[in-house]
Amino acid sequence: DAGVTQSPTHLIKTRGQQVTLRCSPKSGHDTVSWYQQALGQGPQFIFQYYEEEERQRGNFPDRFSGHQFPNYSSELNVNALLLGDSALYLCASSFSGTRETQYFGPGTRLLVL
Amino acid sequence: QKEVEQDPGPLSVPEGAIVSLNCTYSNSAFQYFMWYRQYSRKGPELLMYTYSSGNKEDGRFTAQVDKSSKYISLFIRDSQPSDSATYLCAMSADTGRRALTFGSGTRLQVQP
Repeated sequence: DAGVTQSPTHLIKTRGQQVTLRCSPKSGHDTVSWYQQALGQGPQFIFQYYEEEERQRGNFPDRFSGHQFPNYSSELNVNALLLGDSALYLCASSFSGTRETQYFGPGTRLLVL
Repeated sequence: QKEVEQDPGPLSVPEGAIVSLNCTYSNSAFQYFMWYRQYSRKGPELLMYTYSSGNKEDGRFTAQVDKSSKYISLFIRDSQPSDSATYLCAMSADTGRRALTFGSGTRLQVQP
């Protein structure tokens, strides 16, 4: 039973560029959440997708956008990258039909130069 | 003031010691409480998941929730060097249906 997978594992971009990160949820899960984890900090909630729609959003600017596909996989897009966007980006999945909590993937480490 | 406060450590203990990790929170809407373990440069791994107040035990791990004090704890018995990691507490008003709010994590080092 595959857990949450993310790609790529590492990414280097320059300021102003755009990036797309990808996530496949754990088998049986239909809800995907994205988190940003800066070095030495806990993860911060970006947004959550369910039924291909953004259901909840954290305190992140519109430069951060996402998408969920019919197979429940998801993408996180960040436009006009800033140095401060350098972080570990974590995808978490859960199943809406239970009180189960979220399970995390290994993350994508983004470095903005 | 952050919604969830957690001592960043590092906490250094000898192998075999009992470890106590704690978080306090301010949002009374939180009903679900989690502890995740995160090794360096890896994703968080779920350790314990509890609902409302009370205790839950799983092997060497015990989670306690005191909603009246807005205080949660994780105890690790017979700590091992492999327990060396960052421990994150997380909370939610509605399980996986809503955002998790995390503490900043406590770094634990278990010395052999």
